[in-house]
Amino acid sequence: DAGVIQSPRHEVTEMGQEVTLRCKPISGHNSLFWYRQTMMRGLELLIYFNNNVPIDDSGMPEDRFSAKMPNASFSTLKIQPSEPRDSAVYFCASTRTSGRPYNEQFFGPGTRLTVL
Amino acid sequence: KNEVEQSPQNLTAQEGEFITINCSYSVGISALHWLQQHPGGGIVSLFMLSSGKKKHGRLIATINIQEKHSSLHITASHPRDSAVYICAVVNLNEKLTFGTGTRLTIIP
Repeated sequence: DAGVIQSPRHEVTEMGQEVTLRCKPISGHNSLFWYRQTMMRGLELLIYFNNNVPIDDSGMPEDRFSAKMPNASFSTLKIQPSEPRDSAVYFCASTRTSGRPYNEQFFGPGTRLTVL
Repeated sequence: KNEVEQSPQNLTAQEGEFITINCSYSVGISALHWLQQHPGGGIVSLFMLSSGKKKHGRLIATINIQEKHSSLHITASHPRDSAVYICAVVNLNEKLTFGTGTRLTIIP
């Protein structure tokens, strides 16, 4: 089992550029979560999908952030345009659920984003 | 006041000591998670609790719903237990909120 796969592992970009983060959940898992971690705010849930449908996106900071899950094996988190305050580590996690969204989650290694 | 408070923020102990990390929360919850974040940044889910106690190896997690409090215990601590331990609660509206973490350092 390869675990949750995220790419890229590191991304450095300039303010104003579009950034796309990618996640492949564990096969068979039907819920996927995007988190952001910063020194100031710790871990925050951005959005979660269940069966490819966004269920709760109340944690998405603003319209510059968007997330998609076109199929059960792939999700993207896009920031356009990026700003220096978006610099953080972005984690993707997946789990198999039957109703309750927050069973034990399996985290990817994270993408460290730096916006200059 | 944060919904989830952890204590202590930092903890340094000698190898072999019994470790307790605390998590208090202020809202009604349906579940509580304990996560471990390694120095390299990777996050592992340790426990999910809604009542009582769970044990996995040297790790024990307890929760008291009435007191809105959970503890994570590590017996016979080892330097490889050095990590940040994060508590997260799922409130009754299924919102997930994280504590700020406890940084544990075990000295050989």
